[in-house]
Amino acid sequence: EVQLVESGGGLVQPGRSLKLSCAASGFTFSNYYMAWVRQAPKKGLEWVATISTSGSRTYYPDSVKGRFTISRDNAKSSLYLQMNSLKSEDTATYYCASTIAAITPFAYWGQGTLVTVSS
Amino acid sequence: DIQMTQSPSSMSASLGDRVTITCRASQDIGNYLSWFQQKPGKSPRRMIYGATNLAAGVPSRFSGSRSGSDYSLTISSLESEDMAIYYCLQSIQYPFTFGSGTKLEIK
Repeated sequence: EVQLVESGGGLVQPGRSLKLSCAASGFTFSNYYMAWVRQAPKKGLEWVATISTSGSRTYYPDSVKGRFTISRDNAKSSLYLQMNSLKSEDTATYYCASTIAAITPFAYWGQGTLVTVSS
Repeated sequence: DIQMTQSPSSMSASLGDRVTITCRASQDIGNYLSWFQQKPGKSPRRMIYGATNLAAGVPSRFSGSRSGSDYSLTISSLESEDMAIYYCLQSIQYPFTFGSGTKLEIK
């Protein structure tokens, strides 16, 4: 059974940093692109970052580029999101999701972890 | 960036009704269009990928279609468990972009 379990969310002050983790099991992690998708309270879905199978390629929208860094450890079947210079608008539930190919994205999702940016 | 214009933003339908939700892409995305269902308090679930392919475990009353730059998700006979918010997603080009969502309620 495929499982994606996020952790690391919490309350953080504006301008501070936070690192999210996603533990994967039930599939060959190293064969999948991985991504983070977020959802602000009562809002829609927003793609945040994607990383290639080896980790050599990463992609971000302008809203987080230069502040967020996605990484992975294939030996540990784990995905990470380092979030720096956090803003109130980064408040959201963050989901990790797996992708085997661009035409079939986000087949599996975690349960999400809530990040609240507030003073 | 590719804009995905989703309609309607909300709708109400009766059990057994045929329901259609549409997304229009601002640029050519081929068949790189997926549909996701999100129930209250739950993670999104992929329903359709490649515009027309049913994801594993999804009931056959769900289907996806394409007409030019318009993409549709259709539920052939609405059931109570289909109450949810539905989102489209284009994945042909970064940044990936979601539609704004359609809230489907049961009358």
